[in-house]
Amino acid sequence: QKEVEQNSGPLSVPEGAIASLNCTYSDRGSQSFFWYRQYSGKSPELIMSIYSNGDKEDGRFTAQLNKASQYVSLLIRDSQPSDSATYLCAAYGNNRLAFGKGNQVVVIP
Amino acid sequence: NAGVTQTPKFRILKIGQSMTLQCAQDMNHNYMYWYRQDPGMGLKLIYYSVGAGITDKGEVPNGYNVSRSTTEDFPLRLELAAPSQTSVYFCASSYPRQEETQYFGPGTRLLVL
Repeated sequence: QKEVEQNSGPLSVPEGAIASLNCTYSDRGSQSFFWYRQYSGKSPELIMSIYSNGDKEDGRFTAQLNKASQYVSLLIRDSQPSDSATYLCAAYGNNRLAFGKGNQVVVIP
Repeated sequence: NAGVTQTPKFRILKIGQSMTLQCAQDMNHNYMYWYRQDPGMGLKLIYYSVGAGITDKGEVPNGYNVSRSTTEDFPLRLELAAPSQTSVYFCASSYPRQEETQYFGPGTRLLVL
C-alpha cells in the first residue's frame, strides 16, 4: 500500500464550479498534512496545511482532515483558469514528508 | 529574502560523469531536503539534514551524497551519473520542526545521456 494515494485521474471543471480532490494515507501516526499546487515545469507551492480533524478554510480553498478514516481532501470553490495545475497531497510521518502522485486539475473557461 | 535557490537550472550529463547540484536558503531554516520528481510521479526524498553537520538518508539515496557544512547550503553530489538519475531535483527547507511546511526551490532539471 502506498503511503499517500491520490487515485483520481485528471479533473476537468467549468470555471466557477467546485473542484474536489481526495487523498488517503496509510501511516496512522502521520501528524501534519499539506496540499501543494504545482504548475507545469515549476516547483510545488503550499496551498494549505492542516494538523487537526475538521475543516480549515483559506479564501477559496478548504482542506478537510479525517484521521479516523485516514483521509484528506481539498475543495476549490469558484474555480479559476489560474487554478489549472497539479495538486500534490503530502503527509508527514516517520521523520519525512510522503507525497502522492498528484491530481491534475483543468479549469475550463 | 531570496528563499530557496538552486543552481543550475538545467544540465546534461554523460553517463559516468559527476556533478554537484547547489542549494542555498537565506531563511535560517535548520531543516533542508533533497527530492527528485520523475514524470507523473510524486516527490521522493533523497537525503535530508536537520542542521549543519547532520545528514540522513531518505527513500532513494543510492548514487547520491550530501554535505551540510553551513546552515545555508546543502549541496547534492551525483557520482557516476546513470540514465536512471534523469529527473527534476528539488531542494526544500523547513523551520522550526520537520513537520512544518516545506518551502521549495525552483528545481534543477537533469538529463543523463
